Amino acid sequence: GIQVEQSPPDLILQEGANSTLRCNFSDSVNNLQWFHQNPWGQLINLFYIPSGTKQNGRLSATTVATERYSLLYISSSQTTDSGVYFCAVDDSGGYNKLIFGAGTRLAVHP
Amino acid sequence: GAVVSQHPSRVICKSGTSVKIECRSLDFQATTMFWYRQFPKQSLMLMATSNEGSKATYEQGVEKDKFLINHASLTLSTLTVTSAHPEDSSFYICSAAPTNYGYTFGSGTRLTVV
Repeated sequence: GIQVEQSPPDLILQEGANSTLRCNFSDSVNNLQWFHQNPWGQLINLFYIPSGTKQNGRLSATTVATERYSLLYISSSQTTDSGVYFCAVDDSGGYNKLIFGAGTRLAVHP
Repeated sequence: GAVVSQHPSRVICKSGTSVKIECRSLDFQATTMFWYRQFPKQSLMLMATSNEGSKATYEQGVEKDKFLINHASLTLSTLTVTSAHPEDSSFYICSAAPTNYGYTFGSGTRLTVV
């Protein structure tokens, strides 16, 4: 099955710093999403981005489907950005399962 | 739009008892829902795919008799952990199949079996 690799596994930032999280996947995908899991476990959908570039405030994401990777950019990081960021992909059409990467654990210090 | 409500958020039960977790799609119909399990500091692992009006499809290694899934309507799927044991303690989270917003997840249920 499709493999999803995220890097780095852990990241520590000072408040205000910028960062880039990467997601590599081993096969063509129909769906790709970035999630932020907060300390209470809630998965917050950041981007639904099988291809192209999207921006939402301080966050933006780019997926290059032909090269099988996606990047999540966090600018001017805040302490509330702390948590785990997951990339998840669906490699087939229709209502199929999402395969999650191992996640990037981000800690933003004041 | 595309809100999934999951209850309870937290449950503690005694070993040997059963626990039911509900997952509802509030503003859309979900013919397919997914149940995931997450151990501390690990990623989400799919347990089963719940299909409205038919049997669930379980992932390899998941005991279908222990984790009973029912998807009786287009807005409700339930996961029942039967004869729970301490090793079943985990974070369980449901998801609805793609909408215009992608896959949408419930808020999760933290199960502790004592």
